[in-house]
Amino acid sequence: DIVMTQSPLSLPVTPGEPASISCRSSQSLLHSNGFNYLDWYVQKPGQSPQLLISLGSNRASGVPDRFSGSGSGTDFTLKISTVEADDVGIYYCMQARQNPPTFGGGTKVEIK
Amino acid sequence: EVQLVQSGAEVKKPGESLKISCQTFGYSFNTYWIAWVRQLPGKGLEWMGIIHPRESHTRYNPSLEGQVTISADKSITTAYLHWRSLRTSDTAIYYCARGATGHDGFDIWGHGTMVTVSS
Repeated sequence: DIVMTQSPLSLPVTPGEPASISCRSSQSLLHSNGFNYLDWYVQKPGQSPQLLISLGSNRASGVPDRFSGSGSGTDFTLKISTVEADDVGIYYCMQARQNPPTFGGGTKVEIK
Repeated sequence: EVQLVQSGAEVKKPGESLKISCQTFGYSFNTYWIAWVRQLPGKGLEWMGIIHPRESHTRYNPSLEGQVTISADKSITTAYLHWRSLRTSDTAIYYCARGATGHDGFDIWGHGTMVTVSS
């Protein structure tokens, strides 16, 4: 299985400031079609996960443009340009390049 | 509105069977995959398997293959996750999630079904 490694495990943030989460995969997620099969999800307290970013950099419907995804191959980043209090939760990356899809261990974003 | 509505919480004993459901609304059931993802208590997410309702084509996480069965009933636009014999280690929250063919993320998730297996 492809191993997904996220850092940091915990990210205290100040509202109004930027934040960044890293995700690394043990194998390349770049397909020959040019897409990186890497998604980002957030699980807010007491809720189901929700899709933020698909295929490395495509924002899902309704996701604010404060969120952006970048990277290729084995190194990916989720950036929040300006953190809001509602952004607290656990952020997961997930690879869909190879079966079975696998998730990173999660990054807990909390307000300082 | 697109929704995935999951069945309610279950409390079972080891060795018992269980089938939980994920009823879908607001889109063409036959044109999207439905995945099952579990979350062990206080832990992260694990992809269990996926089904395409049109042909009932399924794929499983090899680590779980044989332990669960995924199925779908097109007549009531519902997907299922079935255990023949539960273990205490199956205690978890189980989510269903919708995915497009060709993969563009799992864009709609159910609210989750808590399954507790205890003697």
